[in-house]
Amino acid sequence: DAGVIQSPRHEVTEMGQEVTLRCKPISGHNSLFWYRQTMMRGLELLIYFNNNVPIDDSGMPEDRFSAKMPNASFSTLKIQPSEPRDSAVYFCASNSGGAQETQYFGPGTRLLVL
Amino acid sequence: AQSVTQPDIHITVSEGASLELRCNYSYGATPYLFWYVQSPGQGLQLLLKYFSGDTLVQGIKGFEAEFKRSQSSFNLRKPTVHWSDAAEYFCAVGASASKLTFGTGTRLQVTL
Repeated sequence: DAGVIQSPRHEVTEMGQEVTLRCKPISGHNSLFWYRQTMMRGLELLIYFNNNVPIDDSGMPEDRFSAKMPNASFSTLKIQPSEPRDSAVYFCASNSGGAQETQYFGPGTRLLVL
Repeated sequence: AQSVTQPDIHITVSEGASLELRCNYSYGATPYLFWYVQSPGQGLQLLLKYFSGDTLVQGIKGFEAEFKRSQSSFNLRKPTVHWSDAAEYFCAVGASASKLTFGTGTRLQVTL
């Protein structure tokens, strides 16, 4: 299995630009998670989907952030407009959805907003 | 609300020495507890997890952790550390595997 795939691995953009991060979960997994990791706040859950439906988006910081999962094999996290404080590593993870199912993490996207 | 405290930001041990990383949690019921490891530039990998039953849990790479309800702790241990264990370690707590709160991490440095 290829594991969770994220693209791009690195992104540098200027303040005000739109940023789109992409994730392909492990085949057969029906839950998908987006996390943000910063030095100041650590690892935070932004949103998670189950069967392509957003279940909990209470961690999404503000309206500039949006996430979609149009099908079982693809999700996007969009920031529009981006700000320097959005600079972080964004991780996607997936699991089979059961209460005891391990989350498998992708390698992350390192975002730098100038 | 659930929370996790990892009191040690950075730990240095010599190769071959034993290791214990501390994790304390706050949760209203019996929690699900996890330890993950993150190598530089990589995502998180699960080391071990506790849901119920035996309070001593064995994981991958020779790691183990013990759930102590009375102390609200879930400390990670390894009897003999290898240089390849240098990484950042995260403890996490949740009502299920889908809604986790992570600690701030402990960075492990291994000296030769």
